[in-house]
Amino acid sequence: SQKIEQNSEALNIQEGKTATLTCNYTNYSPAYLQWYRQDPGRGPVFLLLIRENEKEKRKERLKVTFDTTLKQSLFHITASQPADSATYLCALDNTGRRALTFGSGTRLQVQP
Amino acid sequence: NAGVTQTPKFRVLKTGQSMTLLCAQDMNHEYMYWYRQDPGMGLRLIHYSVGEGTTAKGEVPDGYNVSRLKKQNFLLGLESAAPSQTSVYFCASMVSGGANEQFFGPGTRLTVL
Repeated sequence: SQKIEQNSEALNIQEGKTATLTCNYTNYSPAYLQWYRQDPGRGPVFLLLIRENEKEKRKERLKVTFDTTLKQSLFHITASQPADSATYLCALDNTGRRALTFGSGTRLQVQP
Repeated sequence: NAGVTQTPKFRVLKTGQSMTLLCAQDMNHEYMYWYRQDPGMGLRLIHYSVGEGTTAKGEVPDGYNVSRLKKQNFLLGLESAAPSQTSVYFCASMVSGGANEQFFGPGTRLTVL
C-alpha cells in the first residue's frame, strides 16, 4: 500500500543549528514533492516544491533534497530560529488525481 | 484578497444532525479541495473539484457530499453527522496546471456529540 512517513516524534534543536526533517514514501512515483508549514490552529502554508528531476532546491534558509532512488526527501532549515517552531508536512502529487497526499508531519521546536 | 475563507470556524453538532461547511476563494482558482485533519493522521483528502460543476472522491469520502455550483465556492455537506466526523476541516484551492502550491483556509473545528 502507499505510505508517506514523517517522524512523528518532535524534533528539538538549539537556535542557530540546522534542523533536518525526513519524508519517506513507498509505492509512489511522484512527479514532484512539496513541503508545507503549519502553525497551531492554522491551515498549512506552502514552502517549497521540488520536481523528480531536481536533486536540490533552496529558498533563503530552506533547502530540500529529493532522492527518487531512496524514495526520500530531506528538508533542512539552516540557522534555525525560535520562530521556525511549527509542524512541517511533506506532500506528494497523487498522479492522475491532481491532488496531494500528505504525511502526518513532524513538529519542530527550536529552543532559544 | 481574502484568499481562502471558511465558514463557520467552530461548530458543535449532535449525532444525526446535518450541516454544510462553506469554502470560498477569490483567486479564480480552478481546483478546490476538502481535507480533514485528525491527531497523528495528517491531512486526508475527502473530495475535490477540478472545475465548476465537477467533483471527485478523495481518500475518505464516505459520509460527506460536496457541490461546486460556482467557481469560487466549494460546499461540504454532512447529511447525518457521526462522532467519527469530529475533526478539523480544511479547504484549499489551487490554480490549474498541476505542480502548484495549494492555498489553505483557516479551518473549521467540528465536534459531533
